[in-house]
Amino acid sequence: GAGVSQSPSNKVTEKGKDVELRCDPISGHTALYWYRQSLGQGLEFLIYFQGNSAPDKSGLPSDRFSAERTGGSVSTLTIQRTQQEDSAVYLCASSFDRSSYNEQFFGPGTRLTVL
Amino acid sequence: KQEVTQIPAALSVPEGENLVLNCSFTDSAIYNLQWFRQDPGKGLTSLLLIQSSQREQTSGRLNASLDKSSGRSTLYIAASQPGDSATYLCAVGAIGNEKLTFGTGTRLTIIP
Repeated sequence: GAGVSQSPSNKVTEKGKDVELRCDPISGHTALYWYRQSLGQGLEFLIYFQGNSAPDKSGLPSDRFSAERTGGSVSTLTIQRTQQEDSAVYLCASSFDRSSYNEQFFGPGTRLTVL
Repeated sequence: KQEVTQIPAALSVPEGENLVLNCSFTDSAIYNLQWFRQDPGKGLTSLLLIQSSQREQTSGRLNASLDKSSGRSTLYIAASQPGDSATYLCAVGAIGNEKLTFGTGTRLTIIP
């Protein structure tokens, strides 16, 4: 595809439910990042994948958050037992390699609202 | 811990003027620095990437500079247009995994 895609674009859920957010990176991009943008916290890093492995999960706010990446491509961010403070826009980015100085390209985001 | 600050938080200028947006960061050990624009309700569009070894990058009416030792970057926009109205975000990439630490952004309004 031409760019990073994310689905769904909007998700409204009830407190306590689980949600899955999907990211399709640019084809061939080896690095994938999840970020979260919320009113109170700005834009913050969640997790980084290189291929299928996640060497940096330091930004995940709690053990209710997890992510996986399969086939070096699609990634899924899962939030279990959602809370109202999880409401935010979740952004995914991908980048190629160090020859391009790892310029990151972002998807349009998933807006999550927890009622 | 890296901290990124952008000043001003908001800026309004008449169409046609040149303007400068500022970004400062606390840890000079960075891999790269990216400037993005974000339109309301949209994702981030990459404008310019500066490698840590570079001093500036140019794309059209945009010029970004980097002074790593002093922890500063500027984004210069020449001959501003109403279509430049957006929030501009500065982000520094960490050495090792290039994860980005973002500033809080400057909301730019160009007045026709």
